[in-house]
Amino acid sequence: QVTLKESGPALVKPTQTLTLTCTFSGFSLSTSGMRVSWIRQPPGKALEWLARIDWDGDKFYSTSLKTRLTISEDTSKNQVVLTMTNMDPVDTATYYCALSAGTSDYFDPWGQGTLVTVSS
Amino acid sequence: EIVMTQSPATLSLSPGERATLSCRASQSLSNNLAWYQQNPGQAPRLLIYGASTRATGIPARFSGSGSGTEFTLTISSLQSEDFAVYYCQQYNKWPPTFTFGQGTKLEIK
Repeated sequence: QVTLKESGPALVKPTQTLTLTCTFSGFSLSTSGMRVSWIRQPPGKALEWLARIDWDGDKFYSTSLKTRLTISEDTSKNQVVLTMTNMDPVDTATYYCALSAGTSDYFDPWGQGTLVTVSS
Repeated sequence: EIVMTQSPATLSLSPGERATLSCRASQSLSNNLAWYQQNPGQAPRLLIYGASTRATGIPARFSGSGSGTEFTLTISSLQSEDFAVYYCQQYNKWPPTFTFGQGTKLEIK
């Protein structure tokens, strides 16, 4: 059974750097075709894809946020880490990680999400 | 960036009725479109991928159709658990930059 779970701070201050961890089980990110993405959702708003890391180490970022994002993996711990610099109140959102496998880039399954509030 | 537009924003129907949700893409996607269901306080759940293929465990009352730029999610006979928000997502473009629609809220009339 594939599961993913996000963890990180619930509250960060403006200008700080956010670090989120996605811990997964039931698959290996070293397996061909496996890809883990981060997606966020501000309260009451739509979903926004942020970044993806692939089984071969390739990394992809949202065009609008790429200067602030870094995605990385710790294969030994089955974790994917996302950092976002210079946090702003508009970055308040629930942050999800999700798996894509095979040849298509839909997301299934998703983690439960973690709410991050940006406030001084 | 490919823009996804969903309509209507809110759909008010009664249990047992048929629901038709639309999603339009600003560029042709072939069939690289997925639909998700999201209940309050929960993560999205994959319903449909490849525009028309039901994900594992999804009831047959959910069906997807369309290709190119126009897509439809149909729920044939609404059950109480179907009242939720639905999102479409494109995964057509290379390099990967995925976009979602703004959602359709399906509410009980």
